[in-house]
Amino acid sequence: SQQGEEDPQALSIQEGENATMNCSYKTSINNLQWYRQNSGRGLVHLILIRSNEREKHSGRLRVTLDTSKKSSSLLITASRAADTASYFCATPDVTSGTYKYIFGTGTRLKVLA
Amino acid sequence: DSGVTQTPKHLITATGQRVTLRCSPRSGDLSVYWYQQSLDQGLQFLIHYYNGEERAKGNILERFSAQQFPDLHSELNLSSLELGDSALYFCASSPNRVDTQYFGPGTRLTVL
Repeated sequence: SQQGEEDPQALSIQEGENATMNCSYKTSINNLQWYRQNSGRGLVHLILIRSNEREKHSGRLRVTLDTSKKSSSLLITASRAADTASYFCATPDVTSGTYKYIFGTGTRLKVLA
Repeated sequence: DSGVTQTPKHLITATGQRVTLRCSPRSGDLSVYWYQQSLDQGLQFLIHYYNGEERAKGNILERFSAQQFPDLHSELNLSSLELGDSALYFCASSPNRVDTQYFGPGTRLTVL
C-alpha cells in the first residue's frame, strides 16, 4: 500500500454526526498534515501535527498521531453539509533528506443534510 | 484565496504537443511543489524546488521538466503529450521545505 493511505475511501453521514478518517504511512516523518479538497479545486490546509505531538485540535477538527503505529486520524465533529469534500493526509518523507511529499488517495466525505 | 496563482486554468491540446504551465507562489515563499492529480486519484508528487534549486523528484516522467526562476515563479513543461497526461496539475508553495503547503487552483489539462 502507498504511504499516506486513507481509510475509508468513502464515507457518507448525516449532518450533525461525527466523521472519522484514518491515515497510515510508512517512513519516518517530522510532521503530518491534513488537507481538504472540494471537487476539482485546490487543496486547503486544515491542520499540521508534529511528530512529537499526540493530539491537536482546531475548531471542530481533532487530529491524533501515533508514530508507533505510523497512523493518524482526523475527526470532524458535528459535521455540516459544507464539510462534503475529499480529505487527504500528507507526509514529508524525510528519510531521503529530500522532503518528498506523499499524499494519500483520500477519503471522500459526503454529509447529507 | 491561497495567494498562489496558476495559469492557464484550462488547457486543451493534442497528443504529441508541448505545453507550459505557470505557477506564481505566495509572496516570500521559497518552495514550489508540482503535483499531478488524475481522475479520482490522489496527488502524485512530481518535483520540488527551493529558492531556485531542484530539491526532490517524484515519479516525474522524462518528458516533463520544470524550473524555478530568480523571481521564484515556476514553470512545468510537458512534452510529447499522451492521452494519459490529461489531469489536474497543481502547484503549491510554502515558506520552507516541510511546512504547510498553499495550493493554487490548478490547471486542467486535456489531451485529445
